[in-house]
Amino acid sequence: KQEVTQIPAALSVPEGENLVLNCSFTDSAIYNLQWFRQDPGKGLTSLLLIQSSQREQTSGRLNASLDKSSGRSTLYIAASQPGDSATYLCAVGGYYGGSQGNLIFGKGTKLSVKP
Amino acid sequence: EPEVTQTPSHQVTQMGQEVILRCVPISNHLYFYWYRQILGQKVEFLVSFYNNEISEKSEIFDDQFSVERPDGSNFTLKIRSTKLEDSAMYFCASGLDSYSNQPQHFGDGTRLSIL
Repeated sequence: KQEVTQIPAALSVPEGENLVLNCSFTDSAIYNLQWFRQDPGKGLTSLLLIQSSQREQTSGRLNASLDKSSGRSTLYIAASQPGDSATYLCAVGGYYGGSQGNLIFGKGTKLSVKP
Repeated sequence: EPEVTQTPSHQVTQMGQEVILRCVPISNHLYFYWYRQILGQKVEFLVSFYNNEISEKSEIFDDQFSVERPDGSNFTLKIRSTKLEDSAMYFCASGLDSYSNQPQHFGDGTRLSIL
């Protein structure tokens, strides 16, 4: 059974710092991996999606990497800003009958960026 | 940008009552999902829906739950006889196709409170 773990559970950094959020998963047979942002009381905003055949994806100050064989992904945030404060969720997509199956989520890393 | 919309944003119901949570997925998407997040816990998959039938469901999605796409735009989750432990945030998501390069897009959720 696929398990997704995110470390650390919470992180507080001063504005301007570069930071790395970690995600690990137990079964390497994944379809893709998505990183989401969740603001308090709100839904999930998709940040980056990495297909199982890819090694990394970049969007602005965000860079996500995937090492499927070791079951790890990292989300790198450059030059952090107070507006980056949110909970970041990692989710892996599994195979099901050849189609995009359900997402299995980690518990998230709660990031606080202090001005 | 197109988005997934969910109504109501908050639903309060007496235990044992039926509730229907409503979602309008992104218009050209073909795959629809329900997830839930109990306070302080991980986002959990409930069910996926494609071509007017359930394609996958989790062990949480028992006989008390049902999904329906009654027309070309709405996607509903019904809980027949609510229990206290059904209290959670319920998220609807939609996806464009079954390939791994398209992210799932989430709504802002319905907070369900069972009294």
